[in-house]
Amino acid sequence: DGGITQSPKYLFRKEGQNVTLSCEQNLNHDAMYWYRQDPGQGLRLIYYSQIVNDFQKGDIAEGYSVSREKKESFPLTVTSAQKNPTAFYLCASTALRGRSTDTQYFGPGTRLTVL
Amino acid sequence: SQQGEEDPQALSIQEGENATMNCSYKTSINNLQWYRQNSGRGLVHLILIRSNEREKHSGRLRVTLDTSKKSSSLLITASRAADTASYFCATAARGTNKLIFGTGTLLAVQP
Repeated sequence: DGGITQSPKYLFRKEGQNVTLSCEQNLNHDAMYWYRQDPGQGLRLIYYSQIVNDFQKGDIAEGYSVSREKKESFPLTVTSAQKNPTAFYLCASTALRGRSTDTQYFGPGTRLTVL
Repeated sequence: SQQGEEDPQALSIQEGENATMNCSYKTSINNLQWYRQNSGRGLVHLILIRSNEREKHSGRLRVTLDTSKKSSSLLITASRAADTASYFCATAARGTNKLIFGTGTLLAVQP
């Protein structure tokens, strides 16, 4: 099955802890994205990567970090510097065509709760 | 810097009725996309319309794009209870590889 997977589905974190959310895709897509969604809100871009070993900050990158060591994987670390990390986190990927993004394919999401 | 704003925020209709959602955006775009999200799930792509297109159909979906007004609409015809979800528009600005998502419309279809 081709697709994009995220794990875990639910994650609980104590204040002051770093946690890492996993995102894997087997669609051979070049670009991968991390979004944050708060209740009743749209998606806000945290980080994105268009190629291995390169990534760019989105609109709300503070308190988050990422890596892109493999084309298939784009893990997101929520650090203790993120003051309000409780949210639903979505990962997406797309094949880049020209200079504008086409359809994005989303994973099922990880719901992070800070205790 | 959310670019898309959707209207209405919430919509409740009866099965069989049509549902129309509107999206406005601020800058020049390469394409505009509509996505659907069931509660607690990831987003699913519905339809993409390019800046040089004015109307597009896919099954019971009809999308229009007016680049002069920087707006788009999504029409779902003959709605079903299974259409109950949140619907988001997303714009791809020229020269970027990012999507900017709107705030979404929550559609409830009553059986």
